[in-house]
Amino acid sequence: SQTIHQWPATLVQPVGSPLSLECTVEGTSNPNLYWYRQAAGRGLQLLFYSVGIGQISSEVPQNLSASRPQDRQFILSSKKLLLSDSGFYLCAWSVGGAYNEQFFGPGTRLTVL
Amino acid sequence: KNEVEQSPQNLTAQEGEFITINCSYSVGISALHWLQQHPGGGIVSLFMLSSGKKKHGRLIATINIQEKHSSLHITASHPRDSAVYICAPSGTYKYIFGTGTRLKVLA
Repeated sequence: SQTIHQWPATLVQPVGSPLSLECTVEGTSNPNLYWYRQAAGRGLQLLFYSVGIGQISSEVPQNLSASRPQDRQFILSSKKLLLSDSGFYLCAWSVGGAYNEQFFGPGTRLTVL
Repeated sequence: KNEVEQSPQNLTAQEGEFITINCSYSVGISALHWLQQHPGGGIVSLFMLSSGKKKHGRLIATINIQEKHSSLHITASHPRDSAVYICAPSGTYKYIFGTGTRLKVLA
């Protein structure tokens, strides 16, 4: 069966520090991968998605970047965090196709101070 | 106007009540998903619909493609159903998220 891992679960970082969040998927090949952010009290916002190694689509201009160095690994990064980067970050995967059902990781709660 | 509208935005019910959450969308879709977000933040996929009706336990989801409308029903609601329920029509790659319905079921 498929499993999605995210770490860390919780992170507190100072403004201006770098960020690296990692997401890995097990039990499937060539998944579509997604990074979402949810600000406090708000809905889900798609940040990036990837349909293959090295293929990244950005949805919203921001202080973040994403990379997919391996088939089942998706990394969200920032060189310098802003207060507005605080939020709940979710990774998700899907097998794609017409129906594209997505499965979500447990999330990382990021607080930037 | 948002592409996906959910109603109600907030709902408080007594344990045992029948609950309905509605979702209307204005875009062409390949499927519609109902998600449940727990208070801790985790998201679970409840249903994926392309037509008709599906049932899992006490949860029932329906979709009318022609009217671009879907409903999620919870029968015999329980406090453990308290969560945010999100409607998400999807195309080939992306979900379009509704604003969510925050449900609280009181014992």
